[in-house]
Amino acid sequence: SQQGEEDPQALSIQEGENATMNCSYKTSINNLQWYRQNSGRGLVHLILIRSNEREKHSGRLRVTLDTSKKSSSLLITASRAADTASYFCATLYNNNDMRFGAGTRLTVKP
Amino acid sequence: NAGVTQTPKFRVLKTGQSMTLLCAQDMNHEYMYWYRQDPGMGLRLIHYSVGEGTTAKGEVPDGYNVSRLKKQNFLLGLESAAPSQTSVYFCASSLTDRRIQPQHFGDGTRLSIL
Repeated sequence: SQQGEEDPQALSIQEGENATMNCSYKTSINNLQWYRQNSGRGLVHLILIRSNEREKHSGRLRVTLDTSKKSSSLLITASRAADTASYFCATLYNNNDMRFGAGTRLTVKP
Repeated sequence: NAGVTQTPKFRVLKTGQSMTLLCAQDMNHEYMYWYRQDPGMGLRLIHYSVGEGTTAKGEVPDGYNVSRLKKQNFLLGLESAAPSQTSVYFCASSLTDRRIQPQHFGDGTRLSIL
């Protein structure tokens, strides 16, 4: 069964705009990872955030984690057409089980 | 660097046929994984290996077998293919446990069972 669920399922924006995707989960987690998947390709790791961290940055990516709300968000600033992809969160809970969500499909229009 | 390479990229099978999916990594990673990806669902772990000669069951292991005779290779077998096994299969590897280390993925094998 899925632990993390991304929201929205699909998002379409113009180049230059910011894109925000959310991941909600059901039980307490140890860490949360975000991955990107371009069409027809494998997943690429973006960021890992631990349960005791609240925010992490990597280039134009910003990930926040709110354990009280059991949610995480991925913000892509100044989006580019090349950011068009599906984005997945993967949650680790019970220090053992890791589950992927169904993903958010992001389209960035030039 | 090739990273993680999967072969074949596409395959069509008839129900009851068998086949083996091949995964090779050149990063000297200890851990390797096989996932399936179905529409509207997250990746689901089929089997994994924490080192040469070891294998373990994941979330959805039924109908699949695996082997890791060499550190760089992880094979996924379907002994008697069923239409429910139509999916995209991804192999991944990580230096240590995927729960704390990034995974590196291949580009997938698209498998259709008729």
